[in-house]
Amino acid sequence: GAGVSQSPSNKVTEKGKDVELRCDPISGHTALYWYRQSLGQGLEFLIYFQGNSAPDKSGLPSDRFSAERTGGSVSTLTIQRTQQEDSAVYLCASSSGGQGNEKLFFGSGTQLSVL
Amino acid sequence: LAKTTQPISMDSYEGQEVNITCSHNNIATNDYITWYQQFPSQGPRFIIQGYKTKVTNEVASLFIPADRKSSTLSLPRVSLSDTAVYYCLVGSNSGYALNFGKGTSLLVTP
Repeated sequence: GAGVSQSPSNKVTEKGKDVELRCDPISGHTALYWYRQSLGQGLEFLIYFQGNSAPDKSGLPSDRFSAERTGGSVSTLTIQRTQQEDSAVYLCASSSGGQGNEKLFFGSGTQLSVL
Repeated sequence: LAKTTQPISMDSYEGQEVNITCSHNNIATNDYITWYQQFPSQGPRFIIQGYKTKVTNEVASLFIPADRKSSTLSLPRVSLSDTAVYYCLVGSNSGYALNFGKGTSLLVTP
């Protein structure tokens, strides 16, 4: 596609429910990143994929958070048993190689609200 | 990864030049310096990247002194639409950039 696409753009859920957030990166980009941004805060790194592998999962806040990437393309971030503190904007980015001097392209994010 | 420090916020009037400085005292030899811009309800967007001296594009200029321990993003003649958060990142081809921090919130007023 022309850019990084994320869905849904908004998600409202009840505490304790599971949610799935989807990211469709730019075609051909091998690296994919998930970040979380709470209101008024900077971006918090969650997880990084190179192809279908996740060499760095260090940012996942708890075992309720998991992510996968299939076919070297679409990625899904799953949050189980959501809590109110999970409310934030979840941003996905992709790049062509996954190196620290590369340009990251971001989607518009999914605004998650846990009631 | 090199840690960066930048001001939390800055204010400017329309038409002025704005300079945002980022400190990165422990920058490594292979590290590049990259700046991103983020508008409300959007993901960050790449502005400019440099390794040393000066880089200029249609949006901004990036000044990097010889010791590379800091860098300055320069926005010429800002407009209201430049109101955004600006992030400074440092990273190399031996690793991926993770730390966006809180950035600098720039407010441009008439």
